[in-house]
Amino acid sequence: NAGVTQTPKFRVLKTGQSMTLLCAQDMNHEYMYWYRQDPGMGLRLIHYSVGEGTTAKGEVPDGYNVSRLKKQNFLLGLESAAPSQTSVYFCASTLGQLSNQPQHFGDGTRLSIL
Amino acid sequence: QQQVKQSPQSLIVQKGGISIINCAYENTAFDYFPWYQQFPGKGPALLIAIRPDVSEKKEGRFTISFNKSAKQFSLHIMDSQPGDSATYFCAASSVYGNKLVFGAGTILRVKS
Repeated sequence: NAGVTQTPKFRVLKTGQSMTLLCAQDMNHEYMYWYRQDPGMGLRLIHYSVGEGTTAKGEVPDGYNVSRLKKQNFLLGLESAAPSQTSVYFCASTLGQLSNQPQHFGDGTRLSIL
Repeated sequence: QQQVKQSPQSLIVQKGGISIINCAYENTAFDYFPWYQQFPGKGPALLIAIRPDVSEKKEGRFTISFNKSAKQFSLHIMDSQPGDSATYFCAASSVYGNKLVFGAGTILRVKS
């Protein structure tokens, strides 16, 4: 099993450009998440989804949009990239709503905005 | 405002020593407290977790101690090994919803 796969692994953008980060999971998980990781700030939740066709805002949603058209995929979009969005982005998935169902993470996308 | 406060930010321990990382929370609705381990270039992975109905949970060399009245919990790594060198995150969530709030992370280096 591949688990959670993130594409691309690295990307450099110029301010104002747009891009989409792709997350795919093959574990038939219902819940999916997008986090950003910044030094000294841990992981902060951007958006999440509790099932196909649903999305919800997390702690730091501004400047990002998401879509979950298929159960296995969760897309994170930056419409107009800003230097403050330079970060490492992690996708995660889990079976469902119970907290003791662990979140499985991908290996991240390292994004630099110049 | 960080809902889960983690310390120290970094930690250096000699091989065979005990590593201790502490976390504190404010939200009394939290009732699930996992620890995640992250190696460089990888995503975090669940290491060990505890519910507040027990004061301690041990899995191999890793132990969580939980103090409900003080709203604090800690990770102890016994007989620390160079392979334990990683970033450790504490987290918290309520029983439903599966939304984790993470601490800032602790970079652990075990010197051989």
